[in-house]
Amino acid sequence: AQSVTQLDSQVPVFEEAPVELRCNYSSSVSVYLFWYVQYPNQGLQLLLKYLSGSTLVKGINGFEAEFNKSQTSFHLRKPSVHISDTAEYFCAVSGLGGTYKYIFGTGTRLKVLA
Amino acid sequence: GAVVSQHPSWVICKSGTSVKIECRSLDFQATTMFWYRQFPKQSLMLMATSNEGSKATYEQGVEKDKFLINHASLTLSTLTVTSAHPEDSSFYICSARDPGLGNTEAFFGQGTRLTVV
Repeated sequence: AQSVTQLDSQVPVFEEAPVELRCNYSSSVSVYLFWYVQYPNQGLQLLLKYLSGSTLVKGINGFEAEFNKSQTSFHLRKPSVHISDTAEYFCAVSGLGGTYKYIFGTGTRLKVLA
Repeated sequence: GAVVSQHPSWVICKSGTSVKIECRSLDFQATTMFWYRQFPKQSLMLMATSNEGSKATYEQGVEKDKFLINHASLTLSTLTVTSAHPEDSSFYICSARDPGLGNTEAFFGQGTRLTVV
């Protein structure tokens, strides 16, 4: 079984400042890791994913994440945030294969302040 | 990229009636689709895994007679909330993996906001 922990429920940050959203996971098998963003009353948009290979993954909108197997972490970072980045961010883990379900973290509300 | 479409985007229904939500994979065939429920300011909770041509697999605590899932074709899964009550009001999201992309990434529908009055 897999589980995902997002330690920060809310992260306020000023515009143009860097941000890190933390995600830790546990799994007894190899996994894929994902970060999604959700705007109010909308579905989920994929920011980036780790499947294999390089541990530093770059995604859309200037986001990146680093897979750390020893620390079982997949933290999301952005060097300079914008007001438009205000949203809910979800970390997710999935076993390998099409029938494996996604397990989501509880989400982190990023609020960018002017 | 692969597209998953949900319909309707929002629906209001009277208590005691049933509501059907459709989830379609527009440009790929999905043997497996997933249905999630999201309460306000909370995470997505997996309700069930929908398998084409067979019965859905429900997560613990989800009433299969309450939430009927039908996956009759490779591009369509439906979730029917039967005898809806106000506590069923929620945001429902479906997702599907594209086998053509190696089943690595799930694509999500835009969600359906259900309000039961």
